[in-house]
Amino acid sequence: GAVVSQHPSWVICKSGTSVKIECRSLDFQATTMFWYRQFPKQSLMLMATSNEGSKATYEQGVEKDKFLINHASLTLSTLTVTSAHPEDSSFYICSASPPAGAFTDTQYFGPGTRLTVL
Amino acid sequence: KQEVTQIPAALSVPEGENLVLNCSFTDSAIYNLQWFRQDPGKGLTSLLLIQSSQREQTSGRLNASLDKSSGRSTLYIAASQPGDSATYLCAAPDMEYGNKLVFGAGTILRVKS
Repeated sequence: GAVVSQHPSWVICKSGTSVKIECRSLDFQATTMFWYRQFPKQSLMLMATSNEGSKATYEQGVEKDKFLINHASLTLSTLTVTSAHPEDSSFYICSASPPAGAFTDTQYFGPGTRLTVL
Repeated sequence: KQEVTQIPAALSVPEGENLVLNCSFTDSAIYNLQWFRQDPGKGLTSLLLIQSSQREQTSGRLNASLDKSSGRSTLYIAASQPGDSATYLCAAPDMEYGNKLVFGAGTILRVKS
């Protein structure tokens, strides 16, 4: 149980285009989902926290107009990188957290999406 | 604000050795701490979750301990194998902001056959 999927697993795009990444909780409802970014040889950095039906909360230094997050249902959150540039190339990982008391208060991580912007 | 530090940054050991990875955190009012494994280019695999009421958790050859008072956790790997080669990350919640996780920089482990 507690499986989180991401799609696509990798994507290559041209500079200036937008890319959408999906994060799905497959066997549980996720009231909260998190988006992380990981640059090569670095650890995960939280970008934003999204709660179903409300606006995402972005970490300091993360441009909300560039990284659009939509958490329209209890099983799906999307991250759209708008007008992508080469410096946005990174590994994007999402995690999902079930309602408090459902399982534990842990986060379940997706397999990640490798974005390369040419 | 929670800060998580892992040492060593990298470790290379011969197969069969027992080894210890260290994690320290600044805010000891955590409700749990988690250890993850990450293979190159892959996502995270949760290894062990230690609740604040526990002092240790075991899974196979892995044993994780938690000492909240000193702000430390250790991951002990017994009889290491080449397949254990990966990056090991520990993560603690940022108690100021609820269930946000703060990750350490990781320990890159290489087990030589």
